[in-house]
Amino acid sequence: EIVLTQSPGTLSLSPGERATLSCRASQSISSTYLVWYQQRPGQAPKLLIYGASSRATGIPDRFSGSGSGTDFTLTISRLEPEDFAVYYCQQGKTFGQGTKVEIK
Amino acid sequence: EVQLVESGGGLVQPGGSLRLSCVTSGFIFSTYSINWVRQAPGKGLEWVAYISSSGSTMYYADSVKGRFTISRDNAKNSLFLQMNTLRAEDTAVYFCARGDLRVFDIWGQGTLVIVSS
Repeated sequence: EIVLTQSPGTLSLSPGERATLSCRASQSISSTYLVWYQQRPGQAPKLLIYGASSRATGIPDRFSGSGSGTDFTLTISRLEPEDFAVYYCQQGKTFGQGTKVEIK
Repeated sequence: EVQLVESGGGLVQPGGSLRLSCVTSGFIFSTYSINWVRQAPGKGLEWVAYISSSGSTMYYADSVKGRFTISRDNAKNSLFLQMNTLRAEDTAVYFCARGDLRVFDIWGQGTLVIVSS
């Protein structure tokens, strides 16, 4: 069974800064199946990125995904106030443990 | 507007049962597979169960296999999760999420299940 490990656990940044979130798989996976979600407090998760690098409908272009094999990255180019949230990567039935992006 | 609305959560004693529902609208329900995903308080996401569009194929997480049953009624655009022999560790917000096991593109707001005496 594939394990997804996200790092860091918490990222403390200021609005306008760049955020780089990592998702590492325990074995090589197809980028087709790597997905990123955003979850704001008290809300359901929201699809951000699918296929490792394709933005979901309505997702601003400050969000980008990249990677292949076992290493994947979600980048938020300039943090907006609404971007402070928890981010999860997913491959099939497995989710990473999440990275919290908090205001510094 | 595509919507999924869960209901049926509540407080139940260990060993008890509960049936969750997820009513959908805004899309052709019978053409989509659907999942249940849960989130324990303060914890991450855990996939629970999957059902194909026709209802002919179901998958379960090992943690719930044999205790939970996923089903659907395509005529009523509804998804269900029958939960039996509930344990304290089943306490969580339960979300229904549209999609196959590659991408969950639409999520409901969730319903809270608390298993406690």
